[in-house]
This record gives sequence, C-alpha cells and structure tokens, in this order.
Amino acid sequence: KQEVTQIPAALSVPEGENLVLNCSFTDSAIYNLQWFRQDPGKGLTSLLLIQSSQREQTSGRLNASLDKSSGRSTLYIAASQPGDSATYLCAVDSMWETSGSRLTFGEGTQLTVNP
Amino acid sequence: GAGVSQSPSNKVTEKGKDVELRCDPISGHTALYWYRQSLGQGLEFLIYFQGNSAPDKSGLPSDRFSAERTGGSVSTLTIQRTQQEDSAVYLCASSLASHRYNEQFFGPGTRLTVL
Repeated sequence: KQEVTQIPAALSVPEGENLVLNCSFTDSAIYNLQWFRQDPGKGLTSLLLIQSSQREQTSGRLNASLDKSSGRSTLYIAASQPGDSATYLCAVDSMWETSGSRLTFGEGTQLTVNP
Repeated sequence: GAGVSQSPSNKVTEKGKDVELRCDPISGHTALYWYRQSLGQGLEFLIYFQGNSAPDKSGLPSDRFSAERTGGSVSTLTIQRTQQEDSAVYLCASSLASHRYNEQFFGPGTRLTVL
C-alpha cells in the first residue's frame, strides 16, 4: 500500500524567504506526482504535475523536483509572499493500482508567510 | 473555461437521512473522481469513473455509499442513512483522458455535516 508523508506539518516564514516543502512516498512505482495548494474552506488547486519520467517542473516561483528511485519530491517556493499562505498537498498516482486511477495524498504542510 | 463545479457547497442533515451530492466535471474530461477529506483521515479516494467503463468503487467505505455518472458527464454521490462519521468535505475531480499522466482538477467541495 502506498503511503505519502509530508514534512514539516507546519512552517512559518517571513516574507521574501525561499523555502522547501518535502514529500516522500513508500512505493517508487508511480505514474506521476502532483502538488496542490488548498486554501481554508476551499478545494484543491493544482500547482504542478511531474510525470514519472521527469525530474522537475517549474511554474513561476514554484519548482518541483522528483527523485523516483528514492521516493522523494520537493516543492521549492522562491521569494515567498503572504499570498502563498495555504496548505500544500503532495499526491501520487501509483502503478500498483490494478484498475483506474487514484491519488494517494500526504497530510499536507500548512505554510504561513508573515508580512 | 469553467472548472469543476459541485453542489451544494454545504449540506447539513440529520442522522439517518439520505443525501445526494452533485459534480459537474470540466467539459470534455472523460475521467471523474470522488474523494473525501475528513479530520484525522486526510484525503481519501472513494470512486473513479472513466468513460463508459465500469467504475472503480474500491474506495467506497460502505454499501451506504453509491455513485453514478449519467451521460458520461455529471456525477451524483449518494449516501444513504447518513451517520455522524460521514461528516466530511466531499471533493470531486476530473481529468482529460484515460491514461494516467493527466492532471486532476478539483472542485470546491461539498461540506457535509451530519447531526
């Protein structure tokens, strides 16, 4: 069974700081890994999807890396802003699923960027 | 274009009543997913629809839960004889095609409270 872990559970940083969120997964046989943000009381917003054959993806100030063999991904946020405050979730689509498709989620990292 | 929409946004019901939750996926997306987000359980997969194939129901927690997708578009998640432990946010997602490299896009969710 795939398990996804995110560290740290919570992070508070001053505005302008660069930061890294970590995600690890137990089974490296994955199709892809997706990073989401969730604002309080809202749904999930997709940030980046990394296919299993890729090493990283970039979107604006966000950069996500994937090391499939070690079961790790990081989300790097450059020059953080108060608007980045949210919960960040990592999810994997695992090859061991016998049918269909489903994401296994981590518990999330709650990020607070202080002005 | 329009994203995934869900209705109602909030639902309060009494224990033992039936509820129906609706999801409208992004137009053209053939895959549709239901997830549940509850305190202490994180985000968990419930059911997956892909085109005209039989749905993957392996995530449904009990036989009180069922879902259907009419005309390959709108989906309804039904919970019969609701229990207090059914209280959660129910999230719907859709993706473009059947292969497993596609990004999942989530709706805003329905917050269900069972009194």
